[in-house]
Amino acid sequence: DAGITQSPRHKVTETGTPVTLRCHQTENHRYMYWYRQDPGHGLRLIHYSYGVKDTDKGEVSDGYSVSRSKTEDFLLTLESATSSQTSVYFCAISLTGGNTIYFGEGSWLTVV
Amino acid sequence: GIQVEQSPPDLILQEGANSTLRCNFSDSVNNLQWFHQNPWGQLINLFYIPSGTKQNGRLSATTVATERYSLLYISSSQTTDSGVYFCAVVSGNTPLVFGKGTRLSVIA
Repeated sequence: DAGITQSPRHKVTETGTPVTLRCHQTENHRYMYWYRQDPGHGLRLIHYSYGVKDTDKGEVSDGYSVSRSKTEDFLLTLESATSSQTSVYFCAISLTGGNTIYFGEGSWLTVV
Repeated sequence: GIQVEQSPPDLILQEGANSTLRCNFSDSVNNLQWFHQNPWGQLINLFYIPSGTKQNGRLSATTVATERYSLLYISSSQTTDSGVYFCAVVSGNTPLVFGKGTRLSVIA
């Protein structure tokens, strides 16, 4: 299994509070991704990174920001959580943009 | 952007039966992967298959890139095959785009 750790794995938070999810990898892969999974939508890309301090938006980036200050860590921040951001969040990594992509175990976030 | 459509959306099988899942995509791709999401939510890589045919035990996959589709074959299905199967593609410089999945239930 690819060395990907997501934290926290489960979180309940209140509307309007900031939340940060962390993805840590031990594989030295260049690319890292954050997806969210919702019923009826499959997995949708939020943001991705193609190197340290190099990030780009995905399909559903509104309300989210990311940071990557070192190769192994990719942080996803919800500046002010809303109920529509209740979801399962998956981090993923790949060696290059066209290579096999590996997923972490997911983070379940509930915004009440 | 590229569109990915999977069929059927839901499938119920008796244990031991065979099945074929289909993935159609709207543009040329340079990466195609099949994933299995188990009932605990884990996403497991099955195949990296932008073209050609691969086999892994009871599972095999074929991608015909020129005709923009891929097929996942499951033979002699088992209850542990239950879950959701996703097809995902990379086209050009865009990161992986997922289909909505096929939910498979294998009944003993």
